[in-house]
Amino acid sequence: DAGVTQSPTHLIKTRGQQVTLRCSPKSGHDTVSWYQQALGQGPQFIFQYYEEEERQRGNFPDRFSGHQFPNYSSELNVNALLLGDSALYLCASSLHPDGGTGSYNEQFFGPGTRLTVL
Amino acid sequence: LAKTTQPISMDSYEGQEVNITCSHNNIATNDYITWYQQFPSQGPRFIIQGYKTKVTNEVASLFIPADRKSSTLSLPRVSLSDTAVYYCLVGDMRGGYNKLIFGAGTRLAVHP
Repeated sequence: DAGVTQSPTHLIKTRGQQVTLRCSPKSGHDTVSWYQQALGQGPQFIFQYYEEEERQRGNFPDRFSGHQFPNYSSELNVNALLLGDSALYLCASSLHPDGGTGSYNEQFFGPGTRLTVL
Repeated sequence: LAKTTQPISMDSYEGQEVNITCSHNNIATNDYITWYQQFPSQGPRFIIQGYKTKVTNEVASLFIPADRKSSTLSLPRVSLSDTAVYYCLVGDMRGGYNKLIFGAGTRLAVHP
């Protein structure tokens, strides 16, 4: 059973460029969340997708956008890259409960994509 | 979500028990306490979750006092492979829309 996969593993871009990162969730999962982790810090929540819609968003500018496809995979797009966007971008998948069962749905993280902006 | 405070770093030796304490004075009634582990160049991994008293699994134990204003993650007989960053998260993370709020975590270094 494949876990969460992300591509590419590493990426180098220059300021002002645009980047697309990809994530395939763990088999059976339907919810994808994206996090940004700067060096030496904990991951910061960017947004979460369920049923192809953005459901929650953290404190990130509109330059960060995403998409979820019918097969539950997801993309993270960042426009007009800044030096400060250099980070490890993590994707996490989970299973959204139907009817709000109140149970904790563990998030499984991928290995991340290391983005360097020069 | 409740703010958490945990030590920046800790050192231990192989075979010892390690206890990492997390303070969360503003924990709300519906909040759970969850710990994640992260190895270098990997995503975080769920370790344990609890609401009150004691929870134990094959990896760790979580001790939560009655007032729930703090919690302690206990790792029995650590090995070199337990060297990682440990994050304490507090919030109502049940249900579908469960975003995780991470702090800076505790960097645990296990020495031979």
